[in-house]
Amino acid sequence: EVQLVESGGGLVQPGGSLRLSCAASGFTFSSYWMSWVRQAPGKGLEWVANIKQDGSEKYYVDSVKGRFTISRDNAKNSLYLQMNSLRAEDTAVYYCARGGVYLSGWFDPWGQGTLVTVSS
Amino acid sequence: QPVLTQPPSASASLGASVTLTCTLSSGYSNYKVDWYQQRPGKGPRFVMRVGTGGIVGSKGDGIPDRFSVLGSGLNRYLTIKNIQEEDESDYHCGADHGSGSNFFWVFGGGTKLTVL
Repeated sequence: EVQLVESGGGLVQPGGSLRLSCAASGFTFSSYWMSWVRQAPGKGLEWVANIKQDGSEKYYVDSVKGRFTISRDNAKNSLYLQMNSLRAEDTAVYYCARGGVYLSGWFDPWGQGTLVTVSS
Repeated sequence: QPVLTQPPSASASLGASVTLTCTLSSGYSNYKVDWYQQRPGKGPRFVMRVGTGGIVGSKGDGIPDRFSVLGSGLNRYLTIKNIQEEDESDYHCGADHGSGSNFFWVFGGGTKLTVL
């Protein structure tokens, strides 16, 4: 069964840092683009970042550039999101999602999400 | 960059049909759109991709035949026939956009489907 399990969310103060992890299983992790997508409470989806199979290409939404870093460890079948200088507007459920073999692939599957709350 | 617009809500009676619409902003009529279903408290689930020629590729795992798509002009449609209680969900559409060395995804605001 293809599965993605996020972890690492929690409560953090504005300006703080957090590292999210996503453990993948049931497929050849190193063959796919991977993404982070977030959803603020009661809002729609917002793509955050994605990373190529070998980590050589990374793309970010403008609002997190310079603050967030996406990375992966293919040996551990894991995806990460390092979040620094967190703001209240970063509060959201963060989902890990598998992309395609090519850059323009749909997101399938998604994890169950991990909640990040930025508040003092 | 493309903007995707979805009505915030829709409703349909059990056993009826409903068509959800995702509208691309002007100039993006050749773009494909992905539909996702999100049940309450769950992560999104891929439904299928749609272009002006209809479905692109295959449906997501476990998506019933009751779900179908069409594309016309700036609109991308998701139709659900014989609606069941388990279809009550938020439905999101998304599209990717590449420009020079930049690349990103955009999503619509989502449509909350209520089964009456």
